[in-house]
Amino acid sequence: AQTVTQSQPEMSVQEAETVTLSCTYDTSESDYYLFWYKQPPSRQMILVIRQEAYKQQNATENRFSVNFQKAAKSFSLKISDSQLGDAAMYFCAYRSAGNQFYFGTGTSLTVIP
Amino acid sequence: SQTIHQWPATLVQPVGSPLSLECTVEGTSNPNLYWYRQAAGRGLQLLFYSVGIGQISSEVPQNLSASRPQDRQFILSSKKLLLSDSGFYLCAWTIPFGEAFFGQGTRLTVV
Repeated sequence: AQTVTQSQPEMSVQEAETVTLSCTYDTSESDYYLFWYKQPPSRQMILVIRQEAYKQQNATENRFSVNFQKAAKSFSLKISDSQLGDAAMYFCAYRSAGNQFYFGTGTSLTVIP
Repeated sequence: SQTIHQWPATLVQPVGSPLSLECTVEGTSNPNLYWYRQAAGRGLQLLFYSVGIGQISSEVPQNLSASRPQDRQFILSSKKLLLSDSGFYLCAWTIPFGEAFFGQGTRLTVV
């Protein structure tokens, strides 16, 4: 099974500042998909952003962007202009061509007013 | 639009009792379906996934089983619950090459 590693169990950021969450993954596949999900205290999983491995261009969604380094198997999430509502658990996820969908252990983000 | 229903939201069961959690998807056909378990403060562990009726793949050998009796129905079961089965269970569905959409989750406490 592929593994997804999030090495930062907890992160904090000042409101309006920028924070980067790290994610690495292990795979022998060339075609796959990567995602970042947000889980607020309600525990509902919310998609933040997705990246197709065949695309070299980094995905962006408003204040959220990724730094996808395929050779390094790295997929970090940058949150710009952090808001109080960004506080949540963030999970990196890997979807294989074989339809398996794996998640990392999560990073708990605190936004300081 | 597609929706996913998962129930019950919370469940308290004694050790040794059976378990049945149900998940149904509306508004799509032939979805890929997944069951995950999330321990307190931990990540999501993939338990089972299914690409079609009667097709179940197990990721982790354990006390649980899954079934897909209909195209949009996915059931997680156990004959005898263990204390270690406590956790937050999430059902999800995907389209090919797409993101996962999650149910509201079931908080299971085995006592």
